[in-house]
Amino acid sequence: GAVVSQHPSRVICKSGTSVKIECRSLDFQATTMFWYRQFPKKSLMLMATSNEGSKATYEQGVEKDKFLINHASLTLSTLTVTSAHPEDSSFYICSAHRLAGAYNEQFFGPGTRLTVL
Amino acid sequence: SQQGEEDPQALSIQEGENATMNCSYKTSINNLQWYRQNSGRGLVHLILIRSNEREKHSGRLRVTLDTSKKSSSLLITASRAADTASYFCATDAYSSASKIIFGSGTRLSIRP
Repeated sequence: GAVVSQHPSRVICKSGTSVKIECRSLDFQATTMFWYRQFPKKSLMLMATSNEGSKATYEQGVEKDKFLINHASLTLSTLTVTSAHPEDSSFYICSAHRLAGAYNEQFFGPGTRLTVL
Repeated sequence: SQQGEEDPQALSIQEGENATMNCSYKTSINNLQWYRQNSGRGLVHLILIRSNEREKHSGRLRVTLDTSKKSSSLLITASRAADTASYFCATDAYSSASKIIFGSGTRLSIRP
């Protein structure tokens, strides 16, 4: 199967700083990537759809100025959590979409655990 | 917002028993997928069932799909301690086939 990586896997930062998380599709090109957030013992909540070469589409309730998404190439999307606060501490997971005929294939990264002190 | 609800939210069974988890969703779909997630780890894709399929098997896994009821079930037979994990169903939005929405999940514990 296709491989998606995330970097870093774990990050601890101070409140007020910005944190950038990278999502890469290693062996295929992804015009669309997705960012999810998962709180402890909860499900994955879709935050935004990242489209290569255009602006991201955010889900209702997700602040676009807080969570900046850049999809500069067909293999890389970045999520920047700006002015992070303790309530932003969460597990962030990306996925990359690969079109396979008429069917939707998504491949998930291993996740990034963000802890804001 | 989440597409689906899963039931039960938590399930504890004895090793060797079968585990059944159910998922209900709200809108028309192209396909439905089941994932496993061990605590604090990434997702593992288990199985995909297309909207024109009713049942699918993979090893000890059996998935059913009833599009008229907008529901799916995941059966794990002869459970093992290593099956302890959270299980999520995920559906794509028919109008936006690349977008996947996750259900609320079932936390499965297998007692040795």
